[in-house]
Amino acid sequence: DVKVTQSSRYLVKRTGEKVFLECVQDMDHENMFWYRQDPGLGLRLIYFSYDVKMKEKGDIPEGYSVSREKKERFSLILESASTNQTSMYLCASSPSGGPSGNTIYFGEGSWLTVV
Amino acid sequence: TQLLEQSPQFLSIQEGENLTVYCNSSSVFSSLQWYRQEPGEGPVLLVTVVTGGEVKKLKRLTFQFGDARKDSSLHITAAQPGDTGLYLCAGARNNDMRFGAGTRLTVKP
Repeated sequence: DVKVTQSSRYLVKRTGEKVFLECVQDMDHENMFWYRQDPGLGLRLIYFSYDVKMKEKGDIPEGYSVSREKKERFSLILESASTNQTSMYLCASSPSGGPSGNTIYFGEGSWLTVV
Repeated sequence: TQLLEQSPQFLSIQEGENLTVYCNSSSVFSSLQWYRQEPGEGPVLLVTVVTGGEVKKLKRLTFQFGDARKDSSLHITAAQPGDTGLYLCAGARNNDMRFGAGTRLTVKP
């Protein structure tokens, strides 16, 4: 069974803290994605990666960075958390060749609150 | 502004009614996908449409991809309370996928 696992379901962090959100997939997928989901805005792409050590900016990369040292793991980093980064974060993966016609598999989401 | 505009944003209907939700864009996509998301969960894929004009049926759900591959619709026949959820459309371009804001559907028994 396909599996995308996000390490933390619920986090509360203070403004200015460095935050790591970890994501692991067990399907040997080349592509991995980080989205944030906010009411009325849908899923917005933060960063994606189509290979180890490769990364591409999405629509809202400001305030975030990512790391993909291993194929199965894609980490999202908030260098200095701010309250406007309070959101649900979704990690996803898909097979090679881009998501065209391919299923994107999502994790269960990480709810981050920055206080 | 969203790359993909979904309408309506909210929809509340009675069990047994039919409904259609829309996903529109000015961009052309190589494929378009529909997902359903339930509270506290990640989105789950319902269908992928690839060819302009394509129609796919999944039990009571009918999905159509516009001829120009810029828009899509989802029609549900005889809606049931189990259809309640957030319906998201997503368009694929190159290596990435962009999502609409979703239609939140509530089907009352």
